[in-house]
Amino acid sequence: NAGVTQTPKFQVLKTGQSMTLQCAQDMNHNSMYWYRQDPGMGLRLIYYSASEGTTDKGEVPNGYNVSRLNKREFSLRLESAAPSQTSVYFCASTTNMRVTDTQYFGPGTRLTVL
Amino acid sequence: AQSVTQLGSHVSVSEGALVLLRCNYSSSVPPYLFWYVQYPNQGLQLLLKYTTGATLVKGINGFEAEFKKSETSFHLTKPSAHMSDAAEYFCAVSERDNDMRFGAGTRLTVKP
Repeated sequence: NAGVTQTPKFQVLKTGQSMTLQCAQDMNHNSMYWYRQDPGMGLRLIYYSASEGTTDKGEVPNGYNVSRLNKREFSLRLESAAPSQTSVYFCASTTNMRVTDTQYFGPGTRLTVL
Repeated sequence: AQSVTQLGSHVSVSEGALVLLRCNYSSSVPPYLFWYVQYPNQGLQLLLKYTTGATLVKGINGFEAEFKKSETSFHLTKPSAHMSDAAEYFCAVSERDNDMRFGAGTRLTVKP
């Protein structure tokens, strides 16, 4: 049982380049999230997916797009990377969207945009 | 919107000493409160959470937290620090589904 996995672990991009961050979970969870973590700040929600086929914006969605490919996979895409998107990105999943459900986090992707 | 303030970005204690990490929140409705721990190069892991009922909540690894409505606080404590407790700790508050707000985090150092 791998839990939540993320690829890649590290990435360096130049301004304007695009990339997709991958996330997969093997816990049969319905709901998945993408967060970013910046120094001196807590995690901020970018997008979430309540269930397969649905996605919604979180607190900081600008500059990102997401795809819930199937129940297991939830990807985050940066179409034109900017230095302000330098951050650590975490994917998480829960059984359902209830606030009391425990979120399980992946190990993160460290992204640097030059 | 709800928010969280964690007092002290860095806390240092000696092994065996009391750990106290402070968290204050603001919320317009009865909140749900959480503490997460993040070890180096890992994702966050839930330590404990308060939803309803008993205000003293026990979590993993000997940690506990008390919800004090009058003080709008949810401080995290552990009677005796262990070297393995060194990590970053995040307090979080949520008023409803899909809207969890995290504090900036407190880095705990444990000295031998």
